[in-house]
Formats: sequence, C-alpha cells, structure tokens
Amino acid sequence: AQSVTQLGSHVSVSEGALVLLRCNYSSSVPPYLFWYVQYPNQGLQLLLKYTTGATLVKGINGFEAEFKKSETSFHLTKPSAHMSDAAEYFCAVSSTGRRALTFGSGTRLQVQP
Amino acid sequence: DAGVTQSPTHLIKTRGQQVTLRCSPKSGHDTVSWYQQALGQGPQFIFQYYEEEERQRGNFPDRFSGHQFPNYSSELNVNALLLGDSALYLCASTLGTTSYNSPLHFGNGTRLTVT
Repeated sequence: AQSVTQLGSHVSVSEGALVLLRCNYSSSVPPYLFWYVQYPNQGLQLLLKYTTGATLVKGINGFEAEFKKSETSFHLTKPSAHMSDAAEYFCAVSSTGRRALTFGSGTRLQVQP
Repeated sequence: DAGVTQSPTHLIKTRGQQVTLRCSPKSGHDTVSWYQQALGQGPQFIFQYYEEEERQRGNFPDRFSGHQFPNYSSELNVNALLLGDSALYLCASTLGTTSYNSPLHFGNGTRLTVT
C-alpha cells in the first residue's frame, strides 16, 4: 500500500519569499514521486518527478524537490515566490510500474504582494 | 499539438441516471487513465486502459466502467449516479504502461454535478 501526506492545506508566503511545501510518503517498495500543480478550472501539470538517480530534482518554473529516503519525504521548494505561483500543489507517489498515482490532498499556495 | 481533450466540460445529472464522459489522449499516447477529484481533495485513481483493455483499477465500485477505442480515445461510464459521484473527472494520457520517462498529461476535466 502507498500513501501521501501533505502537511498544511494552505500556505501563504510573500512575493519573493521562499516557498516550502511538505510531502511525506509511505511505500513498501522504492517509490516514484511527483509534484503536480493545478490552476483554477484546469487539469494537473507536472512540475517535476523523481524516478531513480539524483535525489535533488529540478523542475519547471524554478521549483525543485529533494528525495530523502531516511525521512520518507519529498518536499517542494522555490527560492523566490512569484504571484503566478499561486495555485494548488499535489504530491503523488507510485510504487508500481503501472502508473497508477496516489495523490495527497493538496496544498493551496497563496502569494501575497 | 493538441493535448488531452475531455468532453463535456460540465454536466448536471440526477441521482440514478447514467453518464458517459469522453477523452481524447494527447497525440502519440496510447494509454489512458481516469481520476476522480472531489472538491478539496486530491485526484483518486479509477482505472487505466491500454490496448483496449482495463489494465489496473482503483477502489471504485462496478458502477464505474470504461472503454478504450482503437484510436486510443476513451469513455468513462457511471451508472446509478449517487450524490457522492459529484466531482471533477480527470483523464490522463501517456505512452505505455510502465516507463515514467513519458509523464502523465492531464486534461482539464469534466465537472459532474449530481442533484
């Protein structure tokens, strides 16, 4: 069985501040990990993914995440928030090769001017 | 290059009715998955279709069924609708069923409201 916990359903930061969105996973086998972003009335867009190899993963729009096996975490960060980053962010895990993703409940990021 | 397209965008149905949602995958993709996203929640995996067969299924009752056509497009059917079926239904496509080098591409979804 696999699961994802996203700590904090809402996160508010100031424009230019560090963004940190937390994700912890549970998986009985080495996981595949993903971060997706969802803008209002839209589908999900892949930000970044960890499959194998380097544990620090860089994605689009300046986001990155680090896979920490010992902490079962895959937190998403961005050094400097932009107003356009305001959206819902979802962490997801898959422990199989068949692509069924288990999503967390999401974190809504608000960026204050 | 068209991405994943879903129709209709919105739908209102009455309890007990049946509904069919449609999805056209991104060009070059052959695998389609369906997810249900309730308000304020993350998406939940319903099932995946590849080579016109259901390959994997999440924890959803048999009222939820699907189909994949030779052109890789797909339908999601829900029978005997319940109020709890109200949600955004997302279709995602990719190439193949095992490699994560081809990421999932999501459509904008169909918003289903059951009254």
